Amino acid sequence: NAGVTQTPKFQVLKTGQSMTLQCAQDMNHEYMSWYRQDPGMGLRLIHYSVGAGITDQGEVPNGYNVSRSTTEDFPLRLLSAAPSQTSVYFCASSYSSGKETQYFGPGTRLLVL
Amino acid sequence: GNSVTQMEGPVTLSEEAFLTINCTYTATGYPSLFWYVQYPGEGLQLLLKATKADDKGSNKGFEATYRKETTSFHLEKGSVQVSDSAVYFCAVSGNTGKLIFGQGTTLQVKP
Repeated sequence: NAGVTQTPKFQVLKTGQSMTLQCAQDMNHEYMSWYRQDPGMGLRLIHYSVGAGITDQGEVPNGYNVSRSTTEDFPLRLLSAAPSQTSVYFCASSYSSGKETQYFGPGTRLLVL
Repeated sequence: GNSVTQMEGPVTLSEEAFLTINCTYTATGYPSLFWYVQYPGEGLQLLLKATKADDKGSNKGFEATYRKETTSFHLEKGSVQVSDSAVYFCAVSGNTGKLIFGQGTTLQVKP
């Protein structure tokens, strides 16, 4: 099992550009989520999904879109990148909810100039 | 909504010292509580968890007890090692199933 994979590992964007951060898991987990990690702020929940076709907002959803067309994939889209979105992004998955052990990907470091 | 407050770091200890990292939470219903650890350059991994009041989670010499009366889940270890240097995150998951993290506490253990 590859577990949770994220691509790319590192990305530089210019303000206003759009991009998609990819996340995939091969554990047949229903629950997937996206976090951003900023110094002194811990991890903040952006969006989460409890299954294919079902997504919901977390603590900091503005500027981000998600969709869940398959169980395996949960991409995060930045619609128009801003410097405030410079961060490290982590994807995580678990069997059915946040109450179970979360398995994290290695992260994507994003720099918006 | 649910929230978590951790003691601020960084925490610097000598090897074999006793460790406590404080964590308090606010949540409705019957939340589950977690400690996750992040080693340098890596993603987070579960350290321990507790799912109901008075449960004690333990792993790798670390312990934390779910205290509903004080809404706390403090992390302890009797004798830290250099290899324990990492960032530690307390987290709570309530009735909605969302997992909310604290701000993290950096631990540095010196030989």
